[in-house]
Amino acid sequence: AQKITQTQPGMFVQEKEAVTLDCTYDTSDPSYGLFWYKQPSSGEMIFLIYQGSYDQQNATEGRYSLNFQKARKSANLVISASQLGDSAMYFCAMREVQGGKLIFGQGTELSVKP
Amino acid sequence: GAGVSQSPSNKVTEKGKDVELRCDPISGHTALYWYRQSLGQGLEFLIYFQGNSAPDKSGLPSDRFSAERTGGSVSTLTIQRTQQEDSAVYLCASSSSDEGQGTEAFFGQGTRLTVV
Repeated sequence: AQKITQTQPGMFVQEKEAVTLDCTYDTSDPSYGLFWYKQPSSGEMIFLIYQGSYDQQNATEGRYSLNFQKARKSANLVISASQLGDSAMYFCAMREVQGGKLIFGQGTELSVKP
Repeated sequence: GAGVSQSPSNKVTEKGKDVELRCDPISGHTALYWYRQSLGQGLEFLIYFQGNSAPDKSGLPSDRFSAERTGGSVSTLTIQRTQQEDSAVYLCASSSSDEGQGTEAFFGQGTRLTVV
C-alpha cells in the first residue's frame, strides 16, 4: 500500500546552516513521483520540489535539493543556508502513476533560530 | 481563474447540520483532490477525481462524507450530520494531469470548518 513517513515531528536549525528533513515511502508501483511542500503559519501550501522515480539525478531548486535514495525508499529534503523565513511545516508527498492519488506524510515543523 | 478557489473560507455550523464546501479548480485541470487537516496535523486524503474516471473515495472517513464534481470542474464536498470531530481545515487541490508524475498539485486556501 502507498505510504509516506516523516519521523521528525520538529526540527531546529541555526540560521545560515543546512538542514535535512527525512522522508521515507512505500509503494509497489515502479513509477511514482515525490514532492515536498512547505506550509507556513498562514496555512497556504507551497510546492518546493519534485523527484520522479526514474530520474537519474537528484532534483534541485535553488536552496532546496532532494536526496533521493531509491533502494532505501527515501526522499530527504535538504535546505541549504537556512533563513528565518524557512520556519514552517514541511510535507513530503507521493503520487503513484497507476493510482494517481497524492498522499502526504505527517509533516515536520522546522524552526530556524537567529 | 488564477488559482484554486474554495468557499466559504470559514464555516461555523451546529452539530447535526449538513454542510457543503465548494472548490473551483484551476481551469483545465483534470485532477482534483480533497484533504482534511486537523490543527497541527498532516493532510488526510479524502477523495480524488481524475477526468471522467470513477473517483477514488478510499479516504472518506464515513458515509456522512460525500463529494461530487460536476462537468469535470467545480467540486462540492458534503458532510451530513456534522460532528465535533469533523472540525478541521478542508483543503482542495488540482493538477493538470495524472499522466505525468511531475505535475504538482496547486492548493486552495482551505475552508475552516468549526462544528459547535
